[in-house]
Amino acid sequence: ILNVEQSPQSLHVQEGDSTNFTCSFPSSNFYALHWYRWETAKSPEALFVMTLNGDEKKKGRISATLNTKEGYSYLYIKGSQPEDSATYLCAFNKAAGNKLTFGGGTRVLVKP
Amino acid sequence: GAGVSQSPRYKVTKRGQDVALRCDPISGHVSLYWYRQALGQGPEFLTYFNYEAQQDKSGLPNDRFSAERPEGSISTLTIQRTEQRDSAMYRCASSPSTRTTQYFGPGTRLLVL
Repeated sequence: ILNVEQSPQSLHVQEGDSTNFTCSFPSSNFYALHWYRWETAKSPEALFVMTLNGDEKKKGRISATLNTKEGYSYLYIKGSQPEDSATYLCAFNKAAGNKLTFGGGTRVLVKP
Repeated sequence: GAGVSQSPRYKVTKRGQDVALRCDPISGHVSLYWYRQALGQGPEFLTYFNYEAQQDKSGLPNDRFSAERPEGSISTLTIQRTEQRDSAMYRCASSPSTRTTQYFGPGTRLLVL
């Protein structure tokens, strides 16, 4: 059983503040780490796919880093806005196979 | 189409009935995946296809669940003799090739009474 853990489960952020949260995954048999943004009642929206140790990806005010040796990834939101409120899911793709194993998500609520 | 589509969006059925859930992937996408998502949790893998070939069905909970993609495009997930514990959101995703970004559909919310 693969353990993909996200922490915290939820967090409240004041508008304008920056925040970050963690995804931890098995460090062996790694192929890729995916980040998704998911608003309830909508489809998960792909943010990043990261494959190399040390990878950093950025999309607007959202960025992510990857450490495959120790098995974690951080997602950062700079200058949070109310529209950033969503659940952020990470998913691990191991070396053999195509399936994604998802973490439980971090629910972010940005308060105006 | 522009994105992955699924039908029906909502399905209410009685325990013991069979249901068929449909997924129409993004045109040209080779790989198609089925996931199940419980309330408040991340998606859980069920099965996936490359073209028409089912490559991995290790996530199907039991033999009441089956999936097919006969022409390498549209896929159907069938649940026979539904049980209340089958109630969940069933999501389909597709990707241009293996091991690339998976694009998710809106899901089918299944409620078994």
